[in-house]
Amino acid sequence: GQNIDQPTEMTATEGAIVQINCTYQTSGFNGLFWYQQHAGEAPTFLSYNVLDGLEEKGRFSSFLSRSKGYSYLLLKELQMKDSASYLCAGADSNYQLIWGAGTKLIIKP
Amino acid sequence: GAVVSQHPSRVICKSGTSVKIECRSLDFQATTMFWYRQFPKKSLMLMATSNEGSKATYEQGVEKDKFLINHASLTLSTLTVTSAHPEDSSFYICSARTGTKGDTEAFFGQGTRLTVV
Repeated sequence: GQNIDQPTEMTATEGAIVQINCTYQTSGFNGLFWYQQHAGEAPTFLSYNVLDGLEEKGRFSSFLSRSKGYSYLLLKELQMKDSASYLCAGADSNYQLIWGAGTKLIIKP
Repeated sequence: GAVVSQHPSRVICKSGTSVKIECRSLDFQATTMFWYRQFPKKSLMLMATSNEGSKATYEQGVEKDKFLINHASLTLSTLTVTSAHPEDSSFYICSARTGTKGDTEAFFGQGTRLTVV
């Protein structure tokens, strides 16, 4: 079966760094997406990885290891506005997105 | 990025009535749109894939007659929740992708918070 696993909740301090992990099992693989979702709002796109390695985009970076079925989202210099849920989604052989349940990130001052 | 507009953002309806939710792609043509449902603290659950000019493809367990989907044009898809019940209360989100390749990101509408009383 297809499955995306990520931690339910994480807590970090303002100004610090946090890494949110995601493991995936999909029928075929066409990339791994990360989305940010604030409470009561729709998700917004953060990153896409299809090749192994690290993609850096400002304060956010995303890493992929296809051999391990593993990805992480790295958030640096955390700000209070980064408090949100972070959704990991894998694209299967039909390019359908398989969603994780999301990781709720709580930022403390 | 591409813009997807979803309306209404919030709706309260009485049990037994029907509610229509609209999803529009404002600056691109979306041959395919997706309808999701999200329960609190849960993952996005794909309900159906809406294809312009043809019948929607529903996921297993989703009632076709209850959740009517119409994709009338390349920029508009609608989801109608018929004979709504309190258990239909949820957050409904539509999305569209600008292409069919794996790297095309999904753009989401604002979501509709449906409360059935």
